[in-house]
Amino acid sequence: SYVLTQPPSVSVAPGQTARITCGGNNIGSKSVHWYQQKPGQAPVLVVYEDSDRPSGIPERFSGSNSGNTATLTISRVEAGDEADYYCQVWDTSSDHRVVFGGGTKLTVL
Amino acid sequence: QLQLQESGSGLVKPSQTLSLTCAVSGGSISSSGYSWSWIRQPPGKGLEWIGYIYHSGSTYYNPSLKSRVTISIDGSKSQFSLKLSSVTAADTAVYYCARAGSYGLEINFDSWGQGTLVTVCS
Repeated sequence: SYVLTQPPSVSVAPGQTARITCGGNNIGSKSVHWYQQKPGQAPVLVVYEDSDRPSGIPERFSGSNSGNTATLTISRVEAGDEADYYCQVWDTSSDHRVVFGGGTKLTVL
Repeated sequence: QLQLQESGSGLVKPSQTLSLTCAVSGGSISSSGYSWSWIRQPPGKGLEWIGYIYHSGSTYYNPSLKSRVTISIDGSKSQFSLKLSSVTAADTAVYYCARAGSYGLEINFDSWGQGTLVTVCS
């Protein structure tokens, strides 16, 4: 089965840039989606298909995907960005299953 | 504005069947191009996909849960449901229902319910 690997935690100072990675075998050939989840809340889609933003998501959120690593980049980080972030793919090569990464806790220092 | 609301028993005994329903409002559950999913999150842990269903009734399940899971859809009631049999403590989690299909061609979840905690305990 396909596995997505995320670092457990990332820390960044306010105003700086946070980069959260999602590793997977040849993940660059798949579309990667990213979610933000704050404590006690449901996840929110922040990036879809590698680099597109749903309506209402700030331009500070961007994504890229190449080779074996996809990256969510949050520019000009704010205190309100502190949350867990999950990557996700739809693995159509295997039972059309959905796979989530283990999640990354973003701490704003 | 689409809204999804989970409902069902919050406490299930080991070996019994967990049953949840997701009521959909503000949009049609029968529209083509959308899929309807169940996703769970054990306390303090990450997200785990359970399965999804299309309005046609086609289903796809997580292989690790497939033998115990049934997802069904009722267009007349604008709801879809989850049954998970032979539960154990490991099935204790917040269960979310979610919709995919608004963004791009891939499965990604654009709308979520608030989640409901299901505890497996005797």
